[in-house]
Amino acid sequence: EPEVTQTPSHQVTQMGQEVILRCVPISNHLYFYWYRQILGQKVEFLVSFYNNEISEKSEIFDDQFSVERPDGSNFTLKIRSTKLEDSAMYFCASSELGADYGYTFGSGTRLTVV
Amino acid sequence: GESVGLHLPTLSVQEGDNSIINCAYSNSASDYFIWYKQESGKGPQFIIDIRSNMDKRQGQRVTVLLNKTVKHLSLQIAATQPGDSAVYFCAENGNSGNTPLVFGKGTRLSVIA
Repeated sequence: EPEVTQTPSHQVTQMGQEVILRCVPISNHLYFYWYRQILGQKVEFLVSFYNNEISEKSEIFDDQFSVERPDGSNFTLKIRSTKLEDSAMYFCASSELGADYGYTFGSGTRLTVV
Repeated sequence: GESVGLHLPTLSVQEGDNSIINCAYSNSASDYFIWYKQESGKGPQFIIDIRSNMDKRQGQRVTVLLNKTVKHLSLQIAATQPGDSAVYFCAENGNSGNTPLVFGKGTRLSVIA
């Protein structure tokens, strides 16, 4: 069964450093998303991406965050200067037809900022 | 703003019994709902979905019920097994031009062997 792949599974970084989280969505999917989940809390929307541009973003997705689809297979989330409160699980998801038809999630990257 | 929420944060069930997990939603414009299962250290996994033109939908051992009158969604798991132990989230689409799914807080289901 096709799956969304995320790397690395765990990233530890020092406060103020830049991190790039990587995702390979399912190959025929057109809609891409990043969500995050602080430990023990709900899954929160960060950003959606379609047709090579951001379609929606939440209040969490401030100027420190950016997304990119550098080639035909990867979808990345960059945090420019990490803060302690950025520590969370970050999930990438993709969908063939959009939110009205559900997503497939990756296994996540656990980001720990120290 | 409008949000999706859950009635109970934790639920303990004896193996073999049926489980019912509830969810209240407040966005009356939502017309698509999904239940996700999240096991420890993993991403949310699709279980079952339902559209607002239906009241009930059944899958393998799972049933989702939608009551649009009271804006309530439930997930029923028949003959609960240890492998069903996880956190369950409901999510809604908001129905505003393909807006992203909004997730509720989650219910932890613990199956007692």
